[in-house]
Amino acid sequence: DGGITQSPKYLFRKEGQNVTLSCEQNLNHDAMYWYRQDPGQGLRLIYYSQIVNDFQKGDIAEGYSVSREKKESFPLTVTSAQKNPTAFYLCASSIPQRANRPLQYFGAGTRLSVL
Amino acid sequence: ELKVEQNPLFLSMQEGKNYTIYCNYSTTSDRLYWYRQDPGKSLESLFVLLSNGAVKQEGRLMASLDTKARLSTLHITAAVHDLSATYFCAVYRQNSGGSNYKLTFGKGTLLTVNP
Repeated sequence: DGGITQSPKYLFRKEGQNVTLSCEQNLNHDAMYWYRQDPGQGLRLIYYSQIVNDFQKGDIAEGYSVSREKKESFPLTVTSAQKNPTAFYLCASSIPQRANRPLQYFGAGTRLSVL
Repeated sequence: ELKVEQNPLFLSMQEGKNYTIYCNYSTTSDRLYWYRQDPGKSLESLFVLLSNGAVKQEGRLMASLDTKARLSTLHITAAVHDLSATYFCAVYRQNSGGSNYKLTFGKGTLLTVNP
């Protein structure tokens, strides 16, 4: 089945450690997105990518990095510079011009905690 | 900067009652999306509203969009327990060049339907 796969489901980070969250999609979507969700908050955009080898900062990019070497993959690295990384991270993808479909399809999420 | 405000943020209602969730946004947009999120889960698309006056209905939920007022509503009719979840509206935004597009989310409305 087509979809978006995020892994791992749960992740623990030690002080000063970089961790990478995986996001893979087989929907042949051009655009991919990373969001952060804190309790009682909406989703905030971290980074997004409209095409391979290109990506843009979202509203809260500091302390995060991404790459888009393949259409199917958009990994997110939470660096040691991100001082408050505990959150639920959601990856999404979309076909930009397909207005009749939901703009973005979401993965199941990764819950990141600090040890 | 686009701001999206939902109210109420918390809604507790009895089964069988009707209620409306409101989504206001600050700048022009002609697309708005409603999503549902169950606890610990990802987001599920409910409605895509593409033009002024658009109305969509699915079961006990009905969504509408007034682009002139910059307002969308999600109306719940005869609520049942299964509707308990967090509901998000998200507004489509595009940069001035038209090459980058993304969603800005409201903070969500936590709906609890009590027997």
